[in-house]
Amino acid sequence: AQSVAQPEDQVNVAEGNPLTVKCTYSVSGNPYLFWYVQYPNRGLQFLLKYITGDNLVKGSYGFEAEFNKSQTSFHLKKPSALVSDSALYFCAVNKDTGRRALTFGSGTRLQVQP
Amino acid sequence: DVKVTQSSRYLVKRTGEKVFLECVQDMDHENMFWYRQDPGLGLRLIYFSYDVKMKEKGDIPEGYSVSREKKERFSLILESASTNQTSMYLCASSTAFRGGAGYEQYFGPGTRLTVT
Repeated sequence: AQSVAQPEDQVNVAEGNPLTVKCTYSVSGNPYLFWYVQYPNRGLQFLLKYITGDNLVKGSYGFEAEFNKSQTSFHLKKPSALVSDSALYFCAVNKDTGRRALTFGSGTRLQVQP
Repeated sequence: DVKVTQSSRYLVKRTGEKVFLECVQDMDHENMFWYRQDPGLGLRLIYFSYDVKMKEKGDIPEGYSVSREKKERFSLILESASTNQTSMYLCASSTAFRGGAGYEQYFGPGTRLTVT
């Protein structure tokens, strides 16, 4: 079975400060890891993914994520938060064999204060 | 741009009604998915389809069925709606290359269903 944990329901950060949204995963085999963002009353938008290669992945809107195999983590980061980054963020995992569908975490609400 | 559309943004139905949620994608994707989203639970997979007329159960298929008669269209059916099916329903699609495991899914805007 595969699973994702997002330990924080909400993260608060001041505009201009760095932000981190945490994600840990459990999967047998090689993981494929994804981050999505959801703005109010909208569907999910893809931000970035890790398939293989460089552990630091860069994505949309200045976000990046670091894959850490030993800690089974894939934390989302941004050097300088914007108020417009306030949204719900989901981490998701799949593996290189078997099931085609993603397994999602419970989501983390990011609140960036001006 | 990939486009996934869902037939309704908001829907209110009565207990016991049969409910159809429609999803259409325009990217010729082989894989299509239905999730429901509930606060604190994230997205949970109801059903997915990897080809026309093919389907597989997800994690929470009870009370739901699906239909895929054409490649671009994937329907979710609530045979007899119940109040515990009040939720946000999200449709997604992805390519099937190498099973599609490493390819991102593209989501529709969602249908917020209320069953009274």
